[in-house]
Order: sequence, then structure tokens, then C-alpha cells
Amino acid sequence: AQKITQTQPGMFVQEKEAVTLDCTYDTSDQSYGLFWYKQPSSGEMIFLIYQGSYDEQNATEGRYSLNFQKARKSANLVISASQLGDSAMYFCAMREGANFGNEKLTFGTGTRLTIIP
Amino acid sequence: DAGITQSPRHKVTETGTPVTLRCHQTENHRYMYWYRQDPGHGLRLIHYSYGVKDTDKGEVSDGYSVSRSKTEDFLLTLESATSSQTSVYFCAISESKTGTQETQYFGPGTRLLVL
Repeated sequence: AQKITQTQPGMFVQEKEAVTLDCTYDTSDQSYGLFWYKQPSSGEMIFLIYQGSYDEQNATEGRYSLNFQKARKSANLVISASQLGDSAMYFCAMREGANFGNEKLTFGTGTRLTIIP
Repeated sequence: DAGITQSPRHKVTETGTPVTLRCHQTENHRYMYWYRQDPGHGLRLIHYSYGVKDTDKGEVSDGYSVSRSKTEDFLLTLESATSSQTSVYFCAISESKTGTQETQYFGPGTRLLVL
């Protein structure tokens, strides 16, 4: 079974609207971490946000927030007030187990987000 | 900026030749990783290191070897390159800040074409 599933291969969103990128995960570990990365057309991987499995509050970083629903095993990325520069591939990733600092990540296949002016 | 560089950034090679990719970091991070990125697969872990001379296999390690003789350098070697190893290779480091915040930073990537 896929450990990280991103069901939206591509999305088109109007500029200034909010957008939610879906991510579901599968793990039997109690301790795990969830990451989101952005990959623009230039190719670099940019870290956006992190959520630990024991974190009680949803993570936020500027316009990015992570909607963490543990029982549903989902970790959706929400981008508020989208901008043209948000057009990119977005990857969800998971670190399983409690090896703090040793983050072998499993990635989803990504969602290509296109912001329309 | 986590001070990660990769070399070369682009390489074209022929099937059967050995290839070594270098990852260099300047901030003394203990953990380093090599991933490959292919269309439809996201990124997949090849090998990782948890210290000098301490390495282990990832999900797609066949055909690859690694070495880490210094904290700052993590080398990925394709012993005999094949066309299926045409990919973009990313190096990464882990950084764990006070508390629970974890971050993994990536290098700029190396595009490898095996003809």
C-alpha cells in the first residue's frame, strides 16, 4: 500500500483564492512526522512546513498551514491567498518512527499547482 | 540556506561507466541522505548516513554505493551506470531544532543522463 497518497495530480486555482492540497498517509507507528515541500520549475526542493504526530495544534508558517486530522490520517496543506509564485509541484512526505533527527522520508507523487491570474 | 552543495550539477555518461556524485555540507550535520526523483515516483531514498563511515540502505539502493569519510562529504557512486539510473539526484541533511521541530533541507540536485 502507498504510504503517502496525493490524489490530485494537478490543480488550477485563481489568484488570491485559498487552496487545499490533499495528502493521506499510512503508518502503524505512533510517532511520525509529516512534511510539505515545494518544487518550482527551477527544480529545488523548498521546505514549507512540518507537523509532528504528537503536536496538538496544526502547524502554521506564514500563508501555509497544515490541516492535520490524525484519525483520518490526513495532512492537507492549505495555502491562503494564493500568489502566482505559488505555481509549483508540491510534495507531501512522512518520517516514520521515533528516530528524532534521522528523517528517512517517504514522499508522495506530488500535486502540480497552477495559479491563474 | 543549509549550506549544501552538489557536484556535478549536470552529467552525461555512457552505460557501464562508473559515476560519483558528491554532496558537501558546511554545517556539521550528522545525518545525510541521497534521493532520486523520477516522474510518477516523487523522491525515493537511495542511501543515508548517520555519521562518518556509518551508512545504510534506503528503498532503492540496488546499483548504488555510498561513502562518508568526513562529516561534510557524502558520496554516491553508480558502479556501472545503466539507463534506468537516469534521474535527478538530491542530497539532503536533517536539522532538528529545539523541541520537536524537524526539517530536512535539500541540495540543488544533480541531473544525470545515462546514454
